[in-house]
Amino acid sequence: GAVVSQHPSRVICKSGTSVKIECRSLDFQATTMFWYRQFPKKSLMLMATSNEGSKATYEQGVEKDKFLINHASLTLSTLTVTSAHPEDSSFYICSAISDPSTDTQYFGPGTRLTVL
Amino acid sequence: GENVEQHPSTLSVQEGDSAVIKCTYSDSASNYFPWYKQELGKGPQLIIDIRSNVGEKKDQRIAVTLNKTAKHFSLHITETQPEDSAVYFCAASGWNRDDKIIFGKGTRLHILP
Repeated sequence: GAVVSQHPSRVICKSGTSVKIECRSLDFQATTMFWYRQFPKKSLMLMATSNEGSKATYEQGVEKDKFLINHASLTLSTLTVTSAHPEDSSFYICSAISDPSTDTQYFGPGTRLTVL
Repeated sequence: GENVEQHPSTLSVQEGDSAVIKCTYSDSASNYFPWYKQELGKGPQLIIDIRSNVGEKKDQRIAVTLNKTAKHFSLHITETQPEDSAVYFCAASGWNRDDKIIFGKGTRLHILP
């Protein structure tokens, strides 16, 4: 149980285009999902907390107009990188909490974004 | 806010030997401490976790210890195998931080043949 998937696993796009990344909880409902960004050989950096049916809460320094998050259902959250630039190239990972009474987060496999 | 320090950043051990990774945290309100294993190009995988009401937890070759007074916790891997090679992250979480978990910087573990 507690499986989280992401799609796509890899995406290459041109500068100025927008890219949508999906995060799904496959065998549970997740009222809360998280989006992280990870640079090579670095730790995970929390970008935002996504709550079903409400606006996402962004961490300090993360542009909410740049990284649009939508948590439209209990099993799906999406991250859209708008007007992507080469500096947005990174590994994006989502996580979800399967049991609201615990803090346990289960992570997706990640999405490698390359902006040319 | 919470700060999680992790040591060492790199660790090489001979296959079959034990590996120990240590972490400290700063917020005494933290009460949940997961450990994640991340292989190259993949998302982190939860391998073991511990809550502040216990001092030690074991799952086969993996064990975690927690010292609340000293605010440190450690991951122990015994009888290491080649497939244990990966990056390991410790983390800390607390009810007062809206489920957010704070990660350490990671330890790259190499199992030598």
